[in-house]
Amino acid sequence: SQQGEEDPQALSIQEGENATMNCSYKTSINNLQWYRQNSGRGLVHLILIRSNEREKHSGRLRVTLDTSKKSSSLLITASRAADTASYFCATDARGSTLGRLYFGRGTQLTVWP
Amino acid sequence: DTAVSQTPKYLVTQMGNDKSIKCEQNLGHDTMYWYKQDSKKFLKIMFSYNNKELIINETVPNRFSPKSPDKAHLNLHINSLELGDSAVYFCASSERNEETQYFGPGTRLLVL
Repeated sequence: SQQGEEDPQALSIQEGENATMNCSYKTSINNLQWYRQNSGRGLVHLILIRSNEREKHSGRLRVTLDTSKKSSSLLITASRAADTASYFCATDARGSTLGRLYFGRGTQLTVWP
Repeated sequence: DTAVSQTPKYLVTQMGNDKSIKCEQNLGHDTMYWYKQDSKKFLKIMFSYNNKELIINETVPNRFSPKSPDKAHLNLHINSLELGDSAVYFCASSERNEETQYFGPGTRLLVL
């Protein structure tokens, strides 16, 4: 299966600390995306990194991609209580139908005030 | 001005019943999707439609039938509901050649 696997399953930190979440996948990809899901809500797109990119930034978010290790990491700097949510990586496998995304089970991030 | 909306938000029903979930997007997107999220938060694609044409049809029981009356709507009809159908169902949409998907708020289905 192509699905991504996030690690750790759960992460608990204090406000102001950095949070790092990892994602591993199995086959070649066109791109990898990170989404956030607040409790009881739908997923919200955060950032997309293409297979020929190694690092991308968006505000307090930094995403890295290592295609040789088939892994990605999401770093949230200076975390806030409002960052509490589940974070999912989604891969767009090379050769698959456009729009077919494979999601992992997510990392549950809790940020304590 | 909700971008992707779903109705109902909650659905509680008995085994064996037939139910429908509706989805509408006002983003002008060509492609719409249905996902199922289980109790362990695993999110799996079920179907996708591009401009009313079925594009992705995952291994889903044929009790599930999507219907797209126009490119802004994608409904999901489920026949003979089973306990294992209990989950959160998400609708999403995207531009035809864009990778980013926009999700609805979800429909929480509980089959008793």
